[in-house]
Amino acid sequence: AQTVTQSQPEMSVQEAETVTLSCTYDTSESDYYLFWYKQPPSRQMILVIRQEAYKQQNATENRFSVNFQKAAKSFSLKISDSQLGDAAMYFCAYRSAFRYGQNFVFGPGTRLSVLP
Amino acid sequence: GAGVSQTPSNKVTEKGKYVELRCDPISGHTALYWYRQSLGQGPEFLIYFQGTGAADDSGLPNDRFFAVRPEGSVSTLKIQRTERGDSAVYLCASSSGGGYGYTFGSGTRLTVV
Repeated sequence: AQTVTQSQPEMSVQEAETVTLSCTYDTSESDYYLFWYKQPPSRQMILVIRQEAYKQQNATENRFSVNFQKAAKSFSLKISDSQLGDAAMYFCAYRSAFRYGQNFVFGPGTRLSVLP
Repeated sequence: GAGVSQTPSNKVTEKGKYVELRCDPISGHTALYWYRQSLGQGPEFLIYFQGTGAADDSGLPNDRFFAVRPEGSVSTLKIQRTERGDSAVYLCASSSGGGYGYTFGSGTRLTVV
């Protein structure tokens, strides 16, 4: 079974600064997808960024980028120019590519605070 | 609809009672998922529907939990003889398939007192 670990229960960053959230995962599969989701107090999970494991290039979405290290099974999220609206819970998630409709496996989350 | 709708938003019930939680997915999405998120934890998979059938119910914790999707659209998660440990946010998500992310609803917060 796959597992996802987020070792930072809480993080804080000054507005306009950069912060990196850590995620490691364990799998024996060779093809999969990795995601970062944001969960504000509204509870809705919002997709931040995704990465296909077969792609060597790290994904980037505006101020959000990842550092994907497949051999190390590491998938960190970097948020640049942090904004007050970035404050939320962030979840790292794994999804197998081998079976249609496979569910997510989520990590325990990191609570990000943004200080003005 | 434009998004995934879950009702009620909040539900308080007494221990031992029966509850139903509803999920209305995005129109045309064939895949529907239920997750349970306990306080301070990440969501945990419960069940996955492809169309009307439950393709994977391996996450249901016990036989008190049951879900249906009779017409391949709206789904209902049913919990019998509720226990205090069932208190959590129940999230629903839908997808058109493929390897990408889903669209999640805002969840139902269930509190069993």
